[in-house]
Amino acid sequence: ETGVTQSPTHLIKTRGQQVTLRCSSQSGHNTVSWYQQALGQGPQFIFQYYREEENGRGNFPPRFSGLQFPNYSSELNVNALELDDSALYLCASILLDAHGYGYTFGSGTRLTVV
Amino acid sequence: ILNVEQSPQSLHVQEGDSTNFTCSFPSSNFYALHWYRWETAKSPEALFVMTLNGDEKKKGRISATLNTKEGYSYLYIKGSQPEDSATYLCAFIPPRGSTLGRLYFGRGTQLTVWP
Repeated sequence: ETGVTQSPTHLIKTRGQQVTLRCSSQSGHNTVSWYQQALGQGPQFIFQYYREEENGRGNFPPRFSGLQFPNYSSELNVNALELDDSALYLCASILLDAHGYGYTFGSGTRLTVV
Repeated sequence: ILNVEQSPQSLHVQEGDSTNFTCSFPSSNFYALHWYRWETAKSPEALFVMTLNGDEKKKGRISATLNTKEGYSYLYIKGSQPEDSATYLCAFIPPRGSTLGRLYFGRGTQLTVWP
């Protein structure tokens, strides 16, 4: 399977609710990372998973959590949604080879919290 | 906090014009720099991975240079076409010790090419 697929593409949630975003993996890539892009900002690192374990985290609170599955697909979960969580969420599967880190991004999930 | 700056924030050019944008990053701490092209509602597409000071890479009409000593990279587009309209993002990777492969993005340069 080529490419990274994210679902859903858009969703609207109410403040206080919980949301789960999903991401497939590029074949052969065992690392996935998630980024949040708020309006007018560059993408910000949320966390990274390698072989089903979190191996790095950005400046995001614990209500942002994730999972990586044996097939290397991934989920991002956000609890107790706040208005400021409205953003585009990107996932990327990563391959480290002789050329360095190769990132394959999905097209993102646009989350709106009202 | 690692700061990656891109300029200009937006750029409007006529078809056929050549253009360039800048990405600046911390010069004291370097592993790699990535350039991405990102069209609305699509995935960011990798253009270049740059790792060595003095690197120059080319892909069709697009090229990039890297100066790690002074902490900047330039992206050039020769003879811009309307299909080049997109946001161009640069992303910096510091050396191992931080989260391996973590990208620090700039805010991007939004390019619009008018026919």
